[in-house]
Amino acid sequence: DGGITQSPKYLFRKEGQNVTLSCEQNLNHDAMYWYRQDPGQGLRLIYYSQIVNDFQKGDIAEGYSVSREKKESFPLTVTSAQKNPTAFYLCASSIDTTRFNEQFFGPGTRLTVL
Amino acid sequence: AQSVTQPDIHITVSEGASLELRCNYSYGATPYLFWYVQSPGQGLQLLLKYFSGDTLVQGIKGFEAEFKRSQSSFNLRKPSVHWSDAAEYFCAVTTGFQKLVFGTGTRLLVSP
Repeated sequence: DGGITQSPKYLFRKEGQNVTLSCEQNLNHDAMYWYRQDPGQGLRLIYYSQIVNDFQKGDIAEGYSVSREKKESFPLTVTSAQKNPTAFYLCASSIDTTRFNEQFFGPGTRLTVL
Repeated sequence: AQSVTQPDIHITVSEGASLELRCNYSYGATPYLFWYVQSPGQGLQLLLKYFSGDTLVQGIKGFEAEFKRSQSSFNLRKPSVHWSDAAEYFCAVTTGFQKLVFGTGTRLLVSP
């Protein structure tokens, strides 16, 4: 079955540590996205990638980094520079970014900083 | 910049009753509009979308939404709510490029 997988489902981190969240898709989609979800704030875009080896900052990119070395994979690193990293992180993908194409979402990773 | 307002943070509906969730958007041109549903601890699932044409859009799970340009609204409706509909619902808008702007969500509670 095609879809998006995120791992791990739950992640705990000590303050000052970097941590990488995995996102893999087998939908053959060109575009991928990372969102952060906090209670009462909806989803906010962190980074997006339109194609391999290319990515752009979203609305809240500070303290985060990404890479897109393969079409299927778009890992997100939460760095120690992110002041309030505890949140639910959602990865999404779409066929491309021309006009609009539906974004498909993964099941999410809940990150907790201890 | 475009924005989405969902004025109701929580809504409680009796099982079998009708449902309407409100969504207002701000955007100067023709928007592309979406409703997503999220079960606790899960990702988002697309319920329906509006791009153009008929302003009444049918979606999955018996949901529908009506686009009203004059009111800048895209309200979600369901004639008879089931207990399994309890979830959080997000309205979103995009201008045709890839950036989705989400509302803050409405949590639906279904009472027996």
